[in-house]
Amino acid sequence: DTGVSQNPRHKITKRGQNVTFRCDPISEHNRLYWYRQTLGQGPEFLTYFQNEAQLEKSRLLSDRFSAERPKGSFSTLEIQRTEQGDSAMYLCASSLVAPSSYNEQFFGPGTRLTVL
Amino acid sequence: GENVEQHPSTLSVQEGDSAVIKCTYSDSASNYFPWYKQELGKGPQLIIDIRSNVGEKKDQRIAVTLNKTAKHFSLHITETQPEDSAVYFCAASLFSGGYNKLIFGAGTRLAVHP
Repeated sequence: DTGVSQNPRHKITKRGQNVTFRCDPISEHNRLYWYRQTLGQGPEFLTYFQNEAQLEKSRLLSDRFSAERPKGSFSTLEIQRTEQGDSAMYLCASSLVAPSSYNEQFFGPGTRLTVL
Repeated sequence: GENVEQHPSTLSVQEGDSAVIKCTYSDSASNYFPWYKQELGKGPQLIIDIRSNVGEKKDQRIAVTLNKTAKHFSLHITETQPEDSAVYFCAASLFSGGYNKLIFGAGTRLAVHP
């Protein structure tokens, strides 16, 4: 399978716990995005990486959130001290930035987080 | 910043009918408009996109139109089939220097009844 993969697919945690999600982009894609999607809404941008550099973070990404892409391949998103408001689907997307490309983004299946 | 409004929020059609979903955007600099289909429990799937240098694009039963002056774009699905039932999202983006942050609409839940 050459698509974007995310693990785990589902995560249930108690308020106050830390959680970490992983995203494996399409191989050779140099850009990786994280989005958050709440019920009945479209995805909202959180942050993105160009190779290993994190180039932009949304104001939605509080200090409790941290994302990494250490070798420019897979990425992790960690949420510390989870709150019930963090319950959402966390989506990862990847794209290949190249001349004459409009940077089509391909999404993974998402990780659904439930904070009790 | 960019804001995208999408309507209707729900759409119910009979199999074989056409479906139209409309979106408006606020930032006249936006130049890339993708449409995604999301089925239950899955991530959004890119189904078609349009750049600001064209007014219409077609791919089999799916077409997208763009009116830059009015800042709106639409998705047209003809000869709908039950497997078209899903949530559809429009998005807008300014593509500049290889960067584009997608701003999504709230989605349209399409139900195609046999």
